[in-house]
Amino acid sequence: DVKVTQSSRYLVKRTGEKVFLECVQDMDHENMFWYRQDPGLGLRLIYFSYDVKMKEKGDIPEGYSVSREKKERFSLILESASTNQTSMYLCASSPSPDRGYQPQHFGDGTRLSIL
Amino acid sequence: QKEVEQNSGPLSVPEGAIASLNCTYSDRGSQSFFWYRQYSGKSPELIMSIYSNGDKEDGRFTAQLNKASQYVSLLIRDSQPSDSATYLCAVNRDGTGFQKLVFGTGTRLLVSP
Repeated sequence: DVKVTQSSRYLVKRTGEKVFLECVQDMDHENMFWYRQDPGLGLRLIYFSYDVKMKEKGDIPEGYSVSREKKERFSLILESASTNQTSMYLCASSPSPDRGYQPQHFGDGTRLSIL
Repeated sequence: QKEVEQNSGPLSVPEGAIASLNCTYSDRGSQSFFWYRQYSGKSPELIMSIYSNGDKEDGRFTAQLNKASQYVSLLIRDSQPSDSATYLCAVNRDGTGFQKLVFGTGTRLLVSP
């Protein structure tokens, strides 16, 4: 089974802090994704990465950055946390399209509160 | 027009009935379609994938795809209270070799005993 592990289930931070959310997958997947999920808005893509050190902006990248130094790890960084970044953050991974159409598999999520 | 549209529900069905969940999408070039189940406070869990027109069955679940009508549905037979959850429809974005998905906002299903 695919295992996507997010470092924290719950996190509370203060406005202005730099926040790191970590995600690790154990299936040698090329693609990794960061989403946030808010009531009524659904899942929205923040950033994704298709290879080590490669990244692409998603639909809502403002206020976020990412890092992928190793294939199995994809980090989301809130440069200066704000209250409107309070949300559920979900990491997902999937194999390269070279392996055909494949679904994304999600981690358990991190519920982040910015006070 | 939203890229992926679902009725938010709730869709209420009695135990043992068939639940029918619907999804429409706007990108004619989409090639892969997924249904995820999400329990409250949990992350989405893949339950079905479908890539070709027609029906695909897996246990109590049947996914139906009609690309001409840009419509995908999920049928749950013999619904159980444990099926109560939000069901997310996800569609790949055409032209993105990296398989980015667009998600609907989900349909909440309530199965009453």
